[in-house]
Amino acid sequence: QSALTQPPSASGSPGQSVTISCTGTSSDVGGYNYVSWYQQHPGKAPKLMIYEVSKRPSGVPDRFSGSKSGNTASLTVSGLQAEDEADYYCSSYAGSNNFHVVFGGGTKLTVL
Amino acid sequence: QVQLQESGPGLVKPSQTLSLTCTVSGGSISSGSYYWSWIRQPAGKGLEWIGRIYTSGSTNYNPSLKSRVTISVDTSKNQFSLKLSSVTAADTAVYYCARGYSSSWYVWGQGTLVTVSS
Repeated sequence: QSALTQPPSASGSPGQSVTISCTGTSSDVGGYNYVSWYQQHPGKAPKLMIYEVSKRPSGVPDRFSGSKSGNTASLTVSGLQAEDEADYYCSSYAGSNNFHVVFGGGTKLTVL
Repeated sequence: QVQLQESGPGLVKPSQTLSLTCTVSGGSISSGSYYWSWIRQPAGKGLEWIGRIYTSGSTNYNPSLKSRVTISVDTSKNQFSLKLSSVTAADTAVYYCARGYSSSWYVWGQGTLVTVSS
């Protein structure tokens, strides 16, 4: 069982927007602004899409955005494209005395 | 452009020690304020952070694995390594090495499958 809770699946049609949630606790998501989101295509390594809740690394389209409210973080993909179909994982810093990171179980995003 | 490449045995017997190495190319492992991590993913499942090392040698480990994990760095070879002892079938996974700041990883290796089986 993963430390962070994500819906197993999400879907949307091309051009639509979809939001994926990531729920934790006050000891991880709610306690720190260190939530990241990763995109993973089958057989490939994860790719960082969002860090520190809402920041995008260079090269990531602005169609991807992140936010947080309380113990729940969200990833929104706007203007869905076929290549956005992938698994998405959230992660959060969870350390208090020692550095620790926890992940969500992943969400399979299907572009209909 | 920095690239990472994992290497090591693809098959490990139960109760033995899993050993993997990550070779860094395209840049020095000692440059920049980066942390070098190991992350694993069982087939069809989610990601699990194993641990990280700074080039100074300081380490942090996942509390659930801490008793079995050792991560080390060899700056002369531009490599860092993972040792996981007393492995069981539950340790079968694709193991990734990754580079990042704090709690986000920007550069990943392609991953290597390690199977624990007799």
